[in-house]
Amino acid sequence: AQKVTQAQTEISVVEKEDVTLDCVYETRDTTYYLFWYKQPPSGELVFLIRRNSFDEQNEISGRYSWNFQKSTSSFNFTITASQVVDSAVYFCALEDRGSTLGRLYFGRGTQLTVWP
Amino acid sequence: EAQVTQNPRYLITVTGKKLTVTCSQNMNHEYMSWYRQDPGLGLRQIYYSMNVEVTDKGDVPEGYKVSRKEKRNFPLILESPSPNQTSLYFCASHRGANTGELFFGEGSRLTVL
Repeated sequence: AQKVTQAQTEISVVEKEDVTLDCVYETRDTTYYLFWYKQPPSGELVFLIRRNSFDEQNEISGRYSWNFQKSTSSFNFTITASQVVDSAVYFCALEDRGSTLGRLYFGRGTQLTVWP
Repeated sequence: EAQVTQNPRYLITVTGKKLTVTCSQNMNHEYMSWYRQDPGLGLRQIYYSMNVEVTDKGDVPEGYKVSRKEKRNFPLILESPSPNQTSLYFCASHRGANTGELFFGEGSRLTVL
């Protein structure tokens, strides 16, 4: 069965600190997709990244970086030099090839608070 | 501009009063789905549709109905709302399984008294 675990319910940091959000997933499929979404206080869901299970290269986008490790079934997200605007709930999600539904399995989310 | 539009964005209603949350997408996507978000539970899929007149249950379908008469629209119907359906609802559309990101609407916050 598919499952996504975000063990950190809440994280608080001070501005300019680096912070890593953990995501561990379970799937029996060899082909799958992993996502991160951001939900700011305004409530909408903002797409951040989609990663194919065959592509284990780490990705960097500005202050954001993602570390995908199939060996540990993890897809962690790091924000470097955090800013107050990064305060949000972050969701990790999994879509596997066995799903014909375009269904994403979401973790429970991590509430990140960045203090000035 | 690619969009998924939900209405209403906010609604307070009473137990038993039927309501419909509309969802419309302008990307000609075949796949559409509804999720609900509850504190500590993340997002859970309610119903999905793979095309016109093709719908099926997700993980938490009880108390909900959907219809897909046109490709662009996928309304969520609560025939007899109850307080446990108080939640934040998201509609999403998708070009197809494994083809890319889901596009989410802005969310509809529903309170059932």
